[in-house]
Amino acid sequence: QSVLTQPPSVSAAPGQKVTISCSGSSSNIGNNYVSWYQQLPGTAPKLLIYDNNKRPSGIPDRFSGSKSGTSATLGITGLQTGDEADYYCGTWDSSLSALFVFGTGTKVTVL
Amino acid sequence: QLQLQESGPGLVKPSETLSLTCTVSGGSISSSSYYWGWIRQPPGKGLEWIGSIYYSGSTYYNPSLKSRVTISVDTSKNQFSLKLSSVTAADTAVYYCCAGAAAEYWGQGTLVTVSS
Repeated sequence: QSVLTQPPSVSAAPGQKVTISCSGSSSNIGNNYVSWYQQLPGTAPKLLIYDNNKRPSGIPDRFSGSKSGTSATLGITGLQTGDEADYYCGTWDSSLSALFVFGTGTKVTVL
Repeated sequence: QLQLQESGPGLVKPSETLSLTCTVSGGSISSSSYYWGWIRQPPGKGLEWIGSIYYSGSTYYNPSLKSRVTISVDTSKNQFSLKLSSVTAADTAVYYCCAGAAAEYWGQGTLVTVSS
């Protein structure tokens, strides 16, 4: 059972913007960097955002991340059909012992 | 560019030990730049972090699996491994190896089915 909560699904038309929330607590998001991952159907997850808002080389600036308190948000602008995938947030949790936790996952559908 | 490749049996019997290896290319497993870890995903479900090992040998395990998990490094082969003991059907999943503090690099994943 994940300690990070995401909406099960979001959708929008091509060209539009979507945001995905990730809600946690002070033991995880509140005191650690957040990462975001994209998982296209049948493939391994890929890092989209690290350290709350940084993009690895090759990730377009249509993808953005932010964090405030114990919540984080992934934004996708100029939505494309190729963005249809599952998205997960992740961060370290230091409540009892150090462990990495993932969000529940959000399915993005391009209408 | 770091590349990772999982290998190991695709079928394991209940109560036995699941053993997987991740071969690293494009970089040294002795590098201080990376954590080396394992993540799994049951069919149709979300991601679950299993554990990680640092180049120094320090290990970090998911408390829910800690009593059954061992992650180790073989520097001579540039590989790291996962052992999960006393498996049940609930351990059936795609297992990914990954590298980096934020899991920047991922293997393609390997499906392990627990069944008699």
